[in-house]
Amino acid sequence: GDSVTQMEGPVTLSEEAFLTINCTYTATGYPSLFWYVQYPGEGLQLLLKATKADDKGSNKGFEATYRKETTSFHLEKGSVQVSDSAVYFCARVNTGNQFYFGTGTSLTVIP
Amino acid sequence: DVKVTQSSRYLVKRTGEKVFLECVQDMDHENMFWYRQDPGLGLRLIYFSYDVKMKEKGDIPEGYSVSREKKERFSLILESASTNQTSMYLCASHPAGRGSHHTGELFFGEGSRLTVL
Repeated sequence: GDSVTQMEGPVTLSEEAFLTINCTYTATGYPSLFWYVQYPGEGLQLLLKATKADDKGSNKGFEATYRKETTSFHLEKGSVQVSDSAVYFCARVNTGNQFYFGTGTSLTVIP
Repeated sequence: DVKVTQSSRYLVKRTGEKVFLECVQDMDHENMFWYRQDPGLGLRLIYFSYDVKMKEKGDIPEGYSVSREKKERFSLILESASTNQTSMYLCASHPAGRGSHHTGELFFGEGSRLTVL
């Protein structure tokens, strides 16, 4: 069935390090793909999205490219900050408007 | 600004109690969802609703029920709370109705952390 798999955490990085969080999906058709972020004590909020193959979503220095050939949507940031410490969720939506989420990857950035 | 409001941020209940978690959205969205979030398991869908008085089971509906009497309000009910229902509960809404596909995002509330003793 439809699913999303993202890399296990937790991830700890030093400030200004490069970040990659892997995400792959299984699906029929071409689902829209999302990255959500959850800061401590808060609900989830949309970080970026891509609605079709080869689209690149970007926001706050984060990027992810919808790769149909590898069914992937990896999240990247060139230089992380302490304020990026959060839990990151990869997600996809099917044609029935049901969202499927990965298990989340906790990121801690240390000064 | 869009807003999904969950009535209680933190609740502590005893085993066997009836628990109501309320969620209100001000965006006139058709779809509303209840998820629970647990460490290592991510978000799991409990119930969702496409419209007023409509509800559908998600992946883990056992032990829960829902009510959607008005479009803006979607309530999650634990008829008899148990310790394994201790969790973070997240409400979300989405603009598309049943039968239409929308590529937009889910809007989340801040969550309700329930502890059942």
